[in-house]
Amino acid sequence: AQTVTQSQPEMSVQEAETVTLSCTYDTSESDYYLFWYKQPPSRQMILVIRQEAYKQQNATENRFSVNFQKAAKSFSLKISDSQLGDAAMYFCAYRLCAGNNRKLIWGLGTSLAVNP
Amino acid sequence: DVKVTQSSRYLVKRTGEKVFLECVQDMDHENMFWYRQDPGLGLRLIYFSYDVKMKEKGDIPEGYSVSREKKERFSLILESASTNQTSMYLCASSSWTAVVSPLHFGNGTRLTVT
Repeated sequence: AQTVTQSQPEMSVQEAETVTLSCTYDTSESDYYLFWYKQPPSRQMILVIRQEAYKQQNATENRFSVNFQKAAKSFSLKISDSQLGDAAMYFCAYRLCAGNNRKLIWGLGTSLAVNP
Repeated sequence: DVKVTQSSRYLVKRTGEKVFLECVQDMDHENMFWYRQDPGLGLRLIYFSYDVKMKEKGDIPEGYSVSREKKERFSLILESASTNQTSMYLCASSSWTAVVSPLHFGNGTRLTVT
């Protein structure tokens, strides 16, 4: 079965500290793309970071980085120097590369609070 | 930047009404999607479309239909609205030609069926 598990429904972090959100997934395929999306209270979902499964190097985008462990099927998101604007729901997702697959498989999300 | 526009931010309808949710994207994307988002259930795919007049069922298509007459517009139709369709509806689009194409989302429509 194709699934994504985000084991932490809620997390909190102090401003300026670092937090890691966990994500594990299950697929028998070897080629896929992984994504983290952020949904702030204003509701528009935006892409935070993406990773191609064939790349060993972990993706980074400014204060956001991932720890991609393909064998363990783990794709955690690290937020460094947390800011108040990072408070949001974070969703992990993946999409297979094979065929005409256009569907994303989503986790249920982690709600992140940032404390001043 | 890609812009995905959903016609209504909030909508209140009565049970049994026919409801149209409209979505327009301005980046010539091939793929368009309708999701509903409910607390504790995450995002669930209702329908998607990969070309004009083409559509495919997602995970929860029952009670919904869609229309894509033009590439930039994807409409979600609730034929006879019911209270269990009260939810947040998110439209998204993506390019098929981009190597790693993420989804671009609209602001969402909060639909309440009374």
